[in-house]
Amino acid sequence: DAGITQSPRHKVTETGTPVTLRCHQTENHRYMYWYRQDPGHGLRLIHYSYGVKDTDKGEVSDGYSVSRSKTEDFLLTLESATSSQTSVYFCAISEDRQGVDEKLFFGSGTQLSVL
Amino acid sequence: GENVEQHPSTLSVQEGDSAVIKCTYSDSASNYFPWYKQELGKRPQLIIDIRSNVGEKKDQRIAVTLNKTAKHFSLHITETQPEDSAVYFCAASKHGNQFYFGTGTSLTVIP
Repeated sequence: DAGITQSPRHKVTETGTPVTLRCHQTENHRYMYWYRQDPGHGLRLIHYSYGVKDTDKGEVSDGYSVSRSKTEDFLLTLESATSSQTSVYFCAISEDRQGVDEKLFFGSGTQLSVL
Repeated sequence: GENVEQHPSTLSVQEGDSAVIKCTYSDSASNYFPWYKQELGKRPQLIIDIRSNVGEKKDQRIAVTLNKTAKHFSLHITETQPEDSAVYFCAASKHGNQFYFGTGTSLTVIP
C-alpha cells in the first residue's frame, strides 16, 4: 500500500460547504500530490507539494487549496464545494531518489459527492 | 504544460491474443513514462515504467517501447488473460515531480 492512507474514504456533502480531505504517508517522501479522477478525463493534477509548506498548483487547481504542515500529512480543502467537484480524489506520493528513479504510488481514493 | 494523448479508449481482445495501447506526449523534456493498471473501484497500480534513455523494457508478459523522436510510447501485453481486464493509464513526467496522465484505455479480455 506504499504507506499512504486517505480519509475519509467516502463523503457526501452539500453545495457551499467546506470539505477537507486528508492524506497521510509513513514513507517520509518529499513529494505528495492530489489528483481527481473523472470519466473521460483520466487523472488530473490539482496541487502538489515538494516539502513542508512548499506547494504548487496543478492543472485543475481552481476551487481547491492545500496545506502541508508536516512531512507526513497533505490536506486538500474545497472552500465551498460545488457539484462539479463531485469526483474520486487520489492522493499520491513519489519516491525521490534525486531524479534517478521516480515512481508514483496512489492512496485508496476518496469518493466525494456534492449534492 | 504537457499533453498526453492515449488510444484507443476501449479495447477488446480474445484471451491469448496481444493488446497494444499507444500514447503520445508533447513536451520533449519529459523523461519518465510509467504505466498504471486500475481495476474497478481500486487505486491505480504501477505495472511498468521506462526512462528516456531506454528504448524498450520487458517484464514477463508486459513490455513498453519508447520512441523519443516521435514522442510516443506504447504498452504491449502478450498472451492476455481475463485478469488483465482493467483500465490502463499512461503518464509522462519530467524532473520526477509532475505527472501528466492519458485519459485511459478500458481493456476487456474475452475468455
